[in-house]
Amino acid sequence: GENVEQHPSTLSVQEGDSAVIKCTYSDSASNYFPWYKQELGKRPQLIIDIRSNVGEKKDQRIAVTLNKTAKHFSLHITETQPEDSAVYFCAASMGGGSQGNLIFGKGTKLSVKP
Amino acid sequence: GAVVSQHPSWVICKSGTSVKIECRSLDFQATTMFWYRQFPKQSLMLMATSNEGSKATYEQGVEKDKFLINHASLTLSTLTVTSAHPEDSSFYICSASPQVSPLHFGNGTRLTVT
Repeated sequence: GENVEQHPSTLSVQEGDSAVIKCTYSDSASNYFPWYKQELGKRPQLIIDIRSNVGEKKDQRIAVTLNKTAKHFSLHITETQPEDSAVYFCAASMGGGSQGNLIFGKGTKLSVKP
Repeated sequence: GAVVSQHPSWVICKSGTSVKIECRSLDFQATTMFWYRQFPKQSLMLMATSNEGSKATYEQGVEKDKFLINHASLTLSTLTVTSAHPEDSSFYICSASPQVSPLHFGNGTRLTVT
């Protein structure tokens, strides 16, 4: 089955700096890669996603890149703010997102210091 | 936007009792819903896929007789933790999606078994 590895497990940056979180997946059939932000005790919130027919997607300060050949994808947050502090999870799915099971990475705790 | 409602948000029960958690899609029909479990400071682990009108599909290592799933209608799936024990204490989250749309998560249920 699919296996998703996520690094780093913790990341501390200064406000205004960029943060990068990387994930690798094992199953080349996976075609949907969302990123979730989870605040303590709350549900995961989708922040950005990318499908396998696209190499990069950007939404304001957040961007995701996908390298299908290497089977890895990354989340980039620019101009970080304290409110970006949370746990971020990457995930992979073979069902295009709406039908397939999401397999999550282990998460990255991001701390943005003011 | 699509809304997934989960109830209760938290529950405390005694060891040996059963607990039912409801997951509802409020403004769309969901033939498939997903149940996840999240232990403190860990990732979301897919437990099972709930299929309307048929048996749920359980992930490896998840006891189907302990975690009963019923998906009796297109808007409701229930997860019953039977004969709960302290090690079942966790954060349980459901998710569902309208067709061709990313998954939406419920708010989660924090279960504490004493």
